[in-house]
Amino acid sequence: KNEVEQSPQNLTAQEGEFITINCSYSVGISALHWLQQHPGGGIVSLFMLSSGKKKHGRLIATINIQEKHSSLHITASHPRDSAVYICAVNERGNEKLTFGTGTRLTIIP
Amino acid sequence: NAGVTQTPKFQVLKTGQSMTLQCAQDMNHEYMSWYRQDPGMGLRLIHYSVGAGITDQGEVPNGYNVSRSTTEDFPLRLLSAAPSQTSVYFCASRRFMEVYGPGGYTFGSGTRLTVV
Repeated sequence: KNEVEQSPQNLTAQEGEFITINCSYSVGISALHWLQQHPGGGIVSLFMLSSGKKKHGRLIATINIQEKHSSLHITASHPRDSAVYICAVNERGNEKLTFGTGTRLTIIP
Repeated sequence: NAGVTQTPKFQVLKTGQSMTLQCAQDMNHEYMSWYRQDPGMGLRLIHYSVGAGITDQGEVPNGYNVSRSTTEDFPLRLLSAAPSQTSVYFCASRRFMEVYGPGGYTFGSGTRLTVV
């Protein structure tokens, strides 16, 4: 079973700061996902990665397959970015998702 | 498109009662799945389906049944509810090997279940 670890568990930053959240996993995967869960509880899929880097607005996600590591970056952070960010991985050969426990991000105005 | 629709949003059950959590998607997604989210444990896979008539167990399947008679619907059944099943339940779907928007999965809004 894949072990997925995220760091930090909690992160508080000032508005405008550059944010990095890390995710590492233990065995090979077919894809890695970054999800966002807002205080209301809904979950939104941000990125799906199998290699390289993806960018969407102020969010950037990277993955290093050899090192089994991914990062989620937020540039020019804003209070509306406050949420729990969750990393999840697909095992190779099937669709099962294994999740990290999440990083709670709070952006202070 | 409505996306993934979960009902009900909230439910209180007594120990031993049965109920079905509904999940429906209108995006023609092959893959559907159920997760539970507990404080400090993150999301865990209960059951999943790769198409109509095909289901399989996830990490925490005990106490739950599923079936997939159509592409659109994937209900989750609690046969005899227990307090340990108090949790928030999410349904999710996606197309195989296809990026949907910026990411892969579409999640329902969740069902908060309390078993007393």
